[in-house]
Amino acid sequence: GDSVTQMEGPVTLSEEAFLTINCTYTATGYPSLFWYVQYPGEGLQLLLKATKADDKGSNKGFEATYRKETTSFHLEKGSVQVSDSAVYFCALSKSGGYQKVTFGTGTKLQVIP
Amino acid sequence: DSGVTQTPKHLITATGQRVTLRCSPRSGDLSVYWYQQSLDQGLQFLIQYYNGEERAKGNILERFSAQQFPDLHSELNLSSLELGDSALYFCASSLGSQIQSDTQYFGPGTRLTVL
Repeated sequence: GDSVTQMEGPVTLSEEAFLTINCTYTATGYPSLFWYVQYPGEGLQLLLKATKADDKGSNKGFEATYRKETTSFHLEKGSVQVSDSAVYFCALSKSGGYQKVTFGTGTKLQVIP
Repeated sequence: DSGVTQTPKHLITATGQRVTLRCSPRSGDLSVYWYQQSLDQGLQFLIQYYNGEERAKGNILERFSAQQFPDLHSELNLSSLELGDSALYFCASSLGSQIQSDTQYFGPGTRLTVL
């Protein structure tokens, strides 16, 4: 079945450091890929998405490119802030005969001043 | 604030009992999704309703059921509760029916504790 694999956390970075959170997927067909962020005590928020190969999603300084050849959707940010501390989830979804959403296990990011 | 509301915020109950979780989508959204977040299973998609009809089904147990009413609010019913059902249950909504492309807006969740 479909699956999403994220790098284990927690990830601890100093403010203004470069961030990469790896995400790879296994899926048949042509899934869409998403990054969600969950702040403490809150629900998920969509951070960015890409619906086809080579698409780049971007939002709030975060970017991720849908790489079909490496089945990856790594999240990057050039300079993290303390306010970026949260749990980040990579996910895929598929439509067609059987729609569903599959999430990774989440990666906790802690940014220290 | 996403505009999605969920009640109650917290629910504590005993094994074998039945509970109902409620979700009101954002104004104008026709789809409602239910998710379960637990320590051992992670985040799992349960089910989607679009304009009153079931649209997609994920890892929803037979003991669980959901429905979407004409006013578009949705309820998730959990019965014969087990300790392992303790989790955070999220509802999300979107404008359309396409799980692959529509942006989902998540509510704050209902934390269920089964004792």
